[in-house]
Amino acid sequence: DAGVTQSPTHLIKTRGQQVTLRCSPISGHKSVSWYQQVLGQGPQFIFQYYEKEERGRGNFPDRFSARQFPNYSSELNVNALLLGDSALYLCASSLGLTYQETQYFGPGTRLLVL
Amino acid sequence: AQSVTQLGSHVSVSEGALVLLRCNYSSSVPPYLFWYVQYPNQGLQLLLKYTSAATLVKGINGFEAEFKKSETSFHLTKPSAHMSDAAEYFCAVTTNTGNQFYFGTGTSLTVIP
Repeated sequence: DAGVTQSPTHLIKTRGQQVTLRCSPISGHKSVSWYQQVLGQGPQFIFQYYEKEERGRGNFPDRFSARQFPNYSSELNVNALLLGDSALYLCASSLGLTYQETQYFGPGTRLLVL
Repeated sequence: AQSVTQLGSHVSVSEGALVLLRCNYSSSVPPYLFWYVQYPNQGLQLLLKYTSAATLVKGINGFEAEFKKSETSFHLTKPSAHMSDAAEYFCAVTTNTGNQFYFGTGTSLTVIP
């Protein structure tokens, strides 16, 4: 089976623009979580979606939003980009809602904001 | 709220030596604890997890970790380091009802030949 896939792999945007990142979970996984990893730091939790509903949200501004589709794929949107949004954005999928389930991470989308 | 603290942002060991990466957690309820590894330009891979079963957890690639409630620790060890173990290691915590997942700041492991 294919692992978690993310697109695009790299992205360059300018301040003020909007960006959409995409994630396809492992087949059969219903939960998708998004993380932001700034260079030199650990991943920071942004969102968890399960069965198309937001189930968890980290300490991120409303410029960050996400959704999950009926096929369990997910998009992360970031509006009004700031230089500080430059990071590796990781998507992880798991079978169920709770984090007892193992999360499987994709390779990430590297976003550079100029 | 939960959090983890990883002591030592950089650790260097000689090939064949013991690897010890430290993680202390803070949680008001029983935690679930995880160790992940990240190789350059790759996503994270689960090494092992503690979910309130055995306190000594064995993972992949010869790694293991012991949950010590009295010390609020979950240190990662490997008896003999290999060159291929060089990577970034992250400790993480959540709870059985938690809807958030918290990572530490990471420890970069260098293996010296």
